[in-house]
Amino acid sequence: NAGVTQTPKFQVLKTGQSMTLQCAQDMNHNSMYWYRQDPGMGLRLIYYSASEGTTDKGEVPNGYNVSRLNKREFSLRLESAAPSQTSVYFCASILQGESAGNTIYFGEGSWLTVV
Amino acid sequence: QQQVKQSPQSLIVQKGGISIINCAYENTAFDYFPWYQQFPGKGPALLIAIRPDVSEKKEGRFTISFNKSAKQFSLHIMDSQPGDSATYFCASPRGGGGNKLTFGTGTQLKVEL
Repeated sequence: NAGVTQTPKFQVLKTGQSMTLQCAQDMNHNSMYWYRQDPGMGLRLIYYSASEGTTDKGEVPNGYNVSRLNKREFSLRLESAAPSQTSVYFCASILQGESAGNTIYFGEGSWLTVV
Repeated sequence: QQQVKQSPQSLIVQKGGISIINCAYENTAFDYFPWYQQFPGKGPALLIAIRPDVSEKKEGRFTISFNKSAKQFSLHIMDSQPGDSATYFCASPRGGGGNKLTFGTGTQLKVEL
């Protein structure tokens, strides 16, 4: 049971390049989230998907797009990377009916550097 | 924008001592208030969580104290060990649908021998 799997683990991009971060969970969870973590700022929500077929903006959605490909997979796309998007990105998921505060599971993170 | 204020930013404790981290929240959503532990290079992992209708919850060496009237909650780590050295985050339920959390800015704990 892998839990929440993110790829790639590390990536260096040039300003203006595009890329997609992949996330998959094998726990049959309904809700999935993308967070970014920056020094001194905690985790901030970029986008979330409450269920398959739905996506909504979080606190910091500008410069990002998401796709909920199916129940298992939730991808995050940077269309034109900027240095301000240098960060650690975490995908997370929870089961429908559960509380995020009690049962959210995080992936191991994707370290992205934009030069 | 709803905030969660976490303090201190960093903390050094001697082995066997008590580590105390505090959070103040704004949201009044009725849901779990969690603490997460994060080791370098890893994702956050749920450590302990409390419902707002309970004033204290203890799991092993970890205790959450919750003060609803003051909108504050704290994490106490008793008999702190070097293996507890990590970054700790508190979070508050945001309400408004989507089962979202607002996170504190984190506390780097170092437990020295």
